[in-house]
Amino acid sequence: GENVEQHPSTLSVQEGDSAVIKCTYSDSASNYFPWYKQELGKRPQLIIDIRSNVGEKKDQRIAVTLNKTAKHFSLHITETQPEDSAVYFCAALIQGAQKLVFGQGTRLTINP
Amino acid sequence: DAGVIQSPRHEVTEMGQEVTLRCKLISGHNSLFWYRQTMMRGLELLIYFNNNVPIDDSGMPEDRFSAKMPNASFSTLKIQPSEPRDSAVYFCASGMGVRAEAFFGQGTRLTVV
Repeated sequence: GENVEQHPSTLSVQEGDSAVIKCTYSDSASNYFPWYKQELGKRPQLIIDIRSNVGEKKDQRIAVTLNKTAKHFSLHITETQPEDSAVYFCAALIQGAQKLVFGQGTRLTINP
Repeated sequence: DAGVIQSPRHEVTEMGQEVTLRCKLISGHNSLFWYRQTMMRGLELLIYFNNNVPIDDSGMPEDRFSAKMPNASFSTLKIQPSEPRDSAVYFCASGMGVRAEAFFGQGTRLTVV
């Protein structure tokens, strides 16, 4: 079925340390994987996305890796800062249905 | 452009009443998504339009929910009759297809009592 599993559900790290959030997907034909950040009381916003023709993408302190064989992808945030505290959602495009399926979200807390 | 605009921001209604949520897309976008967010179920896609045509409504919970796009820049999501379990934050988002960034509105927090 159409499924995206996201782990962990909550993550707490010290400021300056790295944070990693992992997602697995079920549709082997999926080829688009965005990550959204939702701050408390605000709307989700795209922070980075990756397509299946690359294995890694970086944007300053944020990187995403994709392993198509294992059907999993991860978000890496380095040198974390208090403003990184938010809920992060991964998503995968289900090719047959042409729709994005979101993971359950990870609440990331950066401790000063 | 002011981004995706949703109204109302908050709605409190009694069970059995009709509720209409509204969404104005970003000019030029051809795709419109309605999502529902709850603590238990996370972000769920309810329905997706492309060029004003509903492409996938498999996420619409039941016949009490209906969505329309009367024109290329505006959409409504209607719940009739509303039930307490419909309480959630409803987001609409617009973009240029499913493989592009979805720009979310501020959301409508619906409470059905």
